[in-house]
Amino acid sequence: KQEVTQIPAALSVPEGENLVLNCSFTDSAIYNLQWFRQDPGKGLTSLLLIQSSQREQTSGRLNASLDKSSGRSTLYIAASQPGDSATYLCAVKDDKIIFGKGTRLHILP
Amino acid sequence: GAVVSQHPSWVICKSGTSVKIECRSLDFQATTMFWYRQFPKQSLMLMATSNEGSKATYEQGVEKDKFLINHASLTLSTLTVTSAHPEDSSFYICSARPGLGSFNEQFFGPGTRLTVL
Repeated sequence: KQEVTQIPAALSVPEGENLVLNCSFTDSAIYNLQWFRQDPGKGLTSLLLIQSSQREQTSGRLNASLDKSSGRSTLYIAASQPGDSATYLCAVKDDKIIFGKGTRLHILP
Repeated sequence: GAVVSQHPSWVICKSGTSVKIECRSLDFQATTMFWYRQFPKQSLMLMATSNEGSKATYEQGVEKDKFLINHASLTLSTLTVTSAHPEDSSFYICSARPGLGSFNEQFFGPGTRLTVL
């Protein structure tokens, strides 16, 4: 059974710092991995989707990497801003999409 | 493109009543739609997979008679929570997948907050 774990559960960093969020999954037989952002009480915003054949994807200040064989992904956020404060969810797709519990990120002004 | 809407965005109801939540794909046809539930500070948990024109497939532990799913058209799926109780209070999110390919990307709706008094 696929399990997705995100560490840390919560993170507070000063504005301007670079940071890394971690995601691990137990079954490497995935089709893709996706990072989402969720603001309090809101739905999901897709940030980056990495196909199983890819190693990384970049969008603006965000870079996501995927090491399928080791069951790990990281989301790198450069030059963090207060507007980046949200919960970040990692999700992997095998025959279903399985979500992690998320990392609650707070950027301190 | 690839916008999914949900209605209502929030609903408050009395215990014992039924509540219907709609999920629409606005600019694409979705053969398959998915319903998730998210409790506070928890992950999204898949409740059921809905295929247009056929019965929904429910995940283990989800009562199909309590959570009625109808996917009558390629752009609309509905989730009805029957005889709602306070423990059904949650954030319900749907997603829709265009086309027939099971590997196609899913697009998520904005969610519906259900509060049962």
